[in-house]
Amino acid sequence: AQSVTQLDSHVSVSEGTPVLLRCNYSSSYSPSLFWYVQHPNKGLQLLLKYTSAATLVKGINGFEAEFKKSETSFHLTKPSAHMSDAAEYFCVVSDRRGTYKYIFGTGTRLKVLA
Amino acid sequence: GAVVSQHPSRVICKSGTSVKIECRSLDFQATTMFWYRQFPKQSLMLMATSNEGSKATYEQGVEKDKFLINHASLTLSTLTVTSAHPEDSSFYICSVRAGGGGVPGTDTQYFGPGTRLTVL
Repeated sequence: AQSVTQLDSHVSVSEGTPVLLRCNYSSSYSPSLFWYVQHPNKGLQLLLKYTSAATLVKGINGFEAEFKKSETSFHLTKPSAHMSDAAEYFCVVSDRRGTYKYIFGTGTRLKVLA
Repeated sequence: GAVVSQHPSRVICKSGTSVKIECRSLDFQATTMFWYRQFPKQSLMLMATSNEGSKATYEQGVEKDKFLINHASLTLSTLTVTSAHPEDSSFYICSVRAGGGGVPGTDTQYFGPGTRLTVL
């Protein structure tokens, strides 16, 4: 069975400093992994997804994530935080060989300080 | 990616009334759509999987007679909250699944903007 763990419920960074949001997954086969962002009272926007083509995945708005099979991790990073990055971030693994359901992490709230 | 709309974006109703929420896939024919519910400061909870032309599959603990789902076409799924009560107040989000999952990442879901339901 698939599962995903977001290690931090809240992360605070200063504007212009790096962002690291941590995610560990469990999957019995090569997983589909995604990062989504949710701004207040909005739907989820896809930031990036792992497709097995490359372990370093680049997404929108300067975000990227590295798939590390040995560590079962898919951490999200950004070199320099912007005020507009303040939002809730969800790491997701998909049951792509069965029901196609998403298994959501509990979310990480990113706060960006001026 | 697919563009998904929801209507209405916000609805307030009296206890005991029924509310219908529409989810449309604007540029993609979606065989499968999902309905989620989200409580404040929490993650999304899958309510049901909606398959075009067949009955929806509900998650354990979700009342299918309470939350009626109809997926009559490849671009439209509706969620009707019947006899709504204050505890049904929540943020409801739909998504469409693009792709078959044969390769990691091809089973991406694209989400609608959500519908805020408030039952008085």
